[in-house]
Amino acid sequence: QLVLTQPTSLSASPGASARFTCTLRSGIKVGTYRIYWYQQRPGSFPRYLLRYKSDSDNQQGSGVPSRFSGSKDASTNAGLLLISGLQSEDEADYYCAIWYSYTWVFGGGTKLTVL
Amino acid sequence: QVQMVESGGGVVQPGRSLRLSCAASGISFSTYGMHWVRQAPGKGLEWVALIWYDGSDQFFAESVKGRFTISRDNSKNTLYLQMNSLRVEDTAVYYCAGGPNTSGPTAWGQGTLVTVSS
Repeated sequence: QLVLTQPTSLSASPGASARFTCTLRSGIKVGTYRIYWYQQRPGSFPRYLLRYKSDSDNQQGSGVPSRFSGSKDASTNAGLLLISGLQSEDEADYYCAIWYSYTWVFGGGTKLTVL
Repeated sequence: QVQMVESGGGVVQPGRSLRLSCAASGISFSTYGMHWVRQAPGKGLEWVALIWYDGSDQFFAESVKGRFTISRDNSKNTLYLQMNSLRVEDTAVYYCAGGPNTSGPTAWGQGTLVTVSS
């Protein structure tokens, strides 16, 4: 079982909101970790969006709009990335990552289609 | 303005070696943990290696342990990745990335393509 699991794809309409999930493997408690989120547009390098552990331990990436936010769902053991007011430029792959067992682990990524 | 520029990629035969470099500017390099992250064609991100800000410790993905080494020269603001015994499955774009202190990667380079093929 993978350390981090992300849905392969997600679609939403312009102006709507998108909710990305990053589920930690059973036995790895989401409350313990800072979850990092990255955006990778087609043909470009990854861009750091934010990290989230709690409401008192979180960071927005430089220049990242406030419509990008992080959260957690303890009931499903998942980190969340929320994007409100979707724009066409948000169409990209989104990855989560954590520092786990002395390695960095990335999720498989979720492809967002804005249509 | 933060800038990280990778170099050294190219085509190499299986079993051979290659050394990547990453020149950083616009950051306090000697306070940044530095990573290599790769992306095979059409695939997701795979973390490769991390070196502490002062070079005192290094960490590797299992897939490269014993074959790759990571190093840095803080006097030159440069990060390196020595790749030995290369395999076809090492083919990927290799990104240099860094984060302050023990943070995860927050600043990324544009990547350099490594192709391992006979």
